[in-house]
Amino acid sequence: NAGVTQTPKFQVLKTGQSMTLQCAQDMNHNSMYWYRQDPGMGLRLIYYSASEGTTDKGEVPNGYNVSRLNKREFSLRLESAAPSQTSVYFCASSGQLDNYGYTFGSGTRLTVV
Amino acid sequence: AQSVSQHNHHVILSEAASLELGCNYSYGGTVNLFWYVQYPGQHLQLLLKYFSGDPLVKGIKGFEAEFIKSKFSFNLRKPSVQWSDTAEYFCAVMGGGSYIPTFGRGTSLIVHP
Repeated sequence: NAGVTQTPKFQVLKTGQSMTLQCAQDMNHNSMYWYRQDPGMGLRLIYYSASEGTTDKGEVPNGYNVSRLNKREFSLRLESAAPSQTSVYFCASSGQLDNYGYTFGSGTRLTVV
Repeated sequence: AQSVSQHNHHVILSEAASLELGCNYSYGGTVNLFWYVQYPGQHLQLLLKYFSGDPLVKGIKGFEAEFIKSKFSFNLRKPSVQWSDTAEYFCAVMGGGSYIPTFGRGTSLIVHP
């Protein structure tokens, strides 16, 4: 049981470059999320998807886009990376049967230079 | 909007000491409560959760938390910490019909051997 799989684990981008972070879960969860974690800021929600076919903005959506490709996959795209987007990104999923406790992916450490 | 406050930002203990990490929230209605742990360099993992019933919740690795509704608190406890408990601990609260939790800023725990 893999849980939530995130790729890549590490990435260095130049300012203005684009990239997509991939996330997949095999727990049949309806809901998926993207968070960023910065020192002293805790976890901040970027976007979420309550169910397949829906996406909504979280607390810090600017500069990001998402796609809920199917029930399993939820990707996060940076169209034009900025140094302020240097962070650790976590994907998570949750479902009603688990009382909406989160299962997190292992994270992507992104540096924008 | 609900808020979650973790009063202790940094805690340093010696092995075998007792631990209590504070968590208070602002929402007055029915809540679901979580504690997550993040070991150095790893992703967040669910430590324990409260949904209903016995307000004293037992989690993994000897941790427990008590929900005190009158105090809007969900403090995390462990009678005797180990060096391996060194990690960051996050409290999260879900309420108001939303399935998206609000996270606290986290408490960094360092346990000296």
